[in-house]
Amino acid sequence: KAGVTQTPRYLIKTRGQQVTLSCSPISGHRSVSWYQQTPGQGLQFLFEYFSETQRNKGNFPGRFSGRQFSNSRSEMNVSTLELGDSALYLCASSYDNSGNTIYFGEGSWLTVV
Amino acid sequence: DQQVKQNSPSLSVQEGRISILNCDYTNSMFDYFLWYKKYPAEGPTFLISISSIKDKNEDGRFTVFLNKSAKHLSLHIVPSQPGDSAVYFCAASGDNFNKFYFGSGTKLNVKP
Repeated sequence: KAGVTQTPRYLIKTRGQQVTLSCSPISGHRSVSWYQQTPGQGLQFLFEYFSETQRNKGNFPGRFSGRQFSNSRSEMNVSTLELGDSALYLCASSYDNSGNTIYFGEGSWLTVV
Repeated sequence: DQQVKQNSPSLSVQEGRISILNCDYTNSMFDYFLWYKKYPAEGPTFLISISSIKDKNEDGRFTVFLNKSAKHLSLHIVPSQPGDSAVYFCAASGDNFNKFYFGSGTKLNVKP
């Protein structure tokens, strides 16, 4: 079956702009989580959604937000972009939210200039 | 706070030999652990998992060992192949909401 799909794969934004990234989980998976990967900080947890509800949130400012739709697809938004937001944003899906294995998409590369 | 650590940034191994990648954690509440392999410009690929009720799990060439008292896990790859060259991440979770803490990764180079 199809894996986790993320769009867009690559994008360049200007400081101060906002960006929306999209994630379609593996069919049947209802939990979607987001991670940020940067060279200096590794993979860091942003938030997790299950049945359209945010169940967990990492230590990121309020400029980072997300949502999940009834079909389990998810979006994350970053407003007022800063240079430090340049990173690979990874979406992962899991069958449920009880600590199962999470499967990652290819990621969205965001460059802020 | 770095709750999961991979202290070796890189490892070089000859093809056919064993690769051992290590991971340490500090939170005794962690009860589920994952290993991923990552190539540049791609998302992490799941390799193998282990829960705290076990101390070993095998899947083909990959075996993960968990030492709860030492808060240490290791991934063994036998035999190593050049295609195994990638960055390996360990991850740990202790809650029920799929929040995983990742190590900083170990870059494995398998030489032909």
